[in-house]
Amino acid sequence: GAVVSQHPSWVICKSGTSVKIECRSLDFQATTMFWYRQFPKQSLMLMATSNEGSKATYEQGVEKDKFLINHASLTLSTLTVTSAHPEDSSFYICSATRGRDSPLHFGNGTRLTVT
Amino acid sequence: GIQVEQSPPDLILQEGANSTLRCNFSDSVNNLQWFHQNPWGQLINLFYIPSGTKQNGRLSATTVATERYSLLYISSSQTTDSGVYFCAVDPPNTDKLIFGTGTRLQVFP
Repeated sequence: GAVVSQHPSWVICKSGTSVKIECRSLDFQATTMFWYRQFPKQSLMLMATSNEGSKATYEQGVEKDKFLINHASLTLSTLTVTSAHPEDSSFYICSATRGRDSPLHFGNGTRLTVT
Repeated sequence: GIQVEQSPPDLILQEGANSTLRCNFSDSVNNLQWFHQNPWGQLINLFYIPSGTKQNGRLSATTVATERYSLLYISSSQTTDSGVYFCAVDPPNTDKLIFGTGTRLQVFP
């Protein structure tokens, strides 16, 4: 159990376009989902925390108007990178949990390349 | 905020060797997890271990919460163990999981 599906696994887009990444918990209800970004050879940096039915909480330095997060149901959260630029190229990973004191489970990540 | 440091940053082993990876954290935490990130970027849960010791096959982990560290032991390493190992902690009064700096492990045949 505890499978998190993330789609797409990779995407190449042109500068200025928007890209949507989906994160689904397949066999459990996720009260909270998290979005991380990872640059090459670096650790995972938390971008935002998403709770179903409420606005996402963004970490310091993350532009909420650029990285739009929607957590429409207990099994789906989306991250939209708006007006993408080459510096947004990165590996984006979502994760989900049933709640506090439960393990965090990760999607397989999305490799975004902006040309 | 809480600091999570892992050591060593890089580790090169020959197949069959044993190793110990360490995770130090600067403040008290509710929970701690160990993950393995494979070369394709997938993060695999290894242990959910806020305290005590757990074992799973060739891997085991120990967390001493009062002293703010956790250890991951890999015995009889295999080439498939290669990748990056992360610990991640959940500070009190937050829902966040903060990742450590990682240990990059390479196991050669």
